[in-house]
Amino acid sequence: AQKITQTQPGMFVQEKEAVTLDCTYDTSDQSYGLFWYKQPSSGEMIFLIYQGSYDEQNATEGRYSLNFQKARKSANLVISASQLGDSAMYFCAMREGPLGFGNEKLTFGTGTRLTIIP
Amino acid sequence: NAGVMQNPRHLVRRRGQEARLRCSPVKGHSHVYWYRQLPEEGLKFMVYLQKENIIDESGMPKERFSAEFPKEGPSILRIQQVVRGDSAAYFCASSPRGFGQINSPLHFGNGTRLTVT
Repeated sequence: AQKITQTQPGMFVQEKEAVTLDCTYDTSDQSYGLFWYKQPSSGEMIFLIYQGSYDEQNATEGRYSLNFQKARKSANLVISASQLGDSAMYFCAMREGPLGFGNEKLTFGTGTRLTIIP
Repeated sequence: NAGVMQNPRHLVRRRGQEARLRCSPVKGHSHVYWYRQLPEEGLKFMVYLQKENIIDESGMPKERFSAEFPKEGPSILRIQQVVRGDSAAYFCASSPRGFGQINSPLHFGNGTRLTVT
């Protein structure tokens, strides 16, 4: 079974609108972390936002917020007031297990290609 | 502050040649991770190293691939006798202490794009 599922291969959104990128995950660990990364056409991986499994509040970073629904095992990324520079691939990733115990690797989804339309 | 530095940015090799990819972690970081991204796919974990130790190589192909992180100098990912299927982007990331801090996510280098002709 896929550990990280991103069901939207591509999305087109009008500039200034909000956009939600879906991510569901599968783990039997109680302690885990969820991440979103942005990969523009230039290729680098840019960290956006992190949510820990025990965090009670949804993470926010500027225009990015993470809609964390633990019971549904979903961790959707919300981008408010989208901009042309938001056009990129977006990857959801998970770290399983508690921090610092050697479970340091991330499992990535297949990504969503977001295109912002002027 | 310099981030994770990878070189070369682009590497072209003929089938059968060796590819050596270098990664200099953020200054003070002693943990390095290598990931591979095939075209139109997400990143896949390959190997996790600390200085002079391989901690987890569960994602490394059993043959032709090796990685090291010596006491001095950059981490090296080596691919011997490259084949066309090795063509991919290879990313390195580093962290200060086993990824042990919530606010210290993995920061990636810009990647090395390997093309095997």
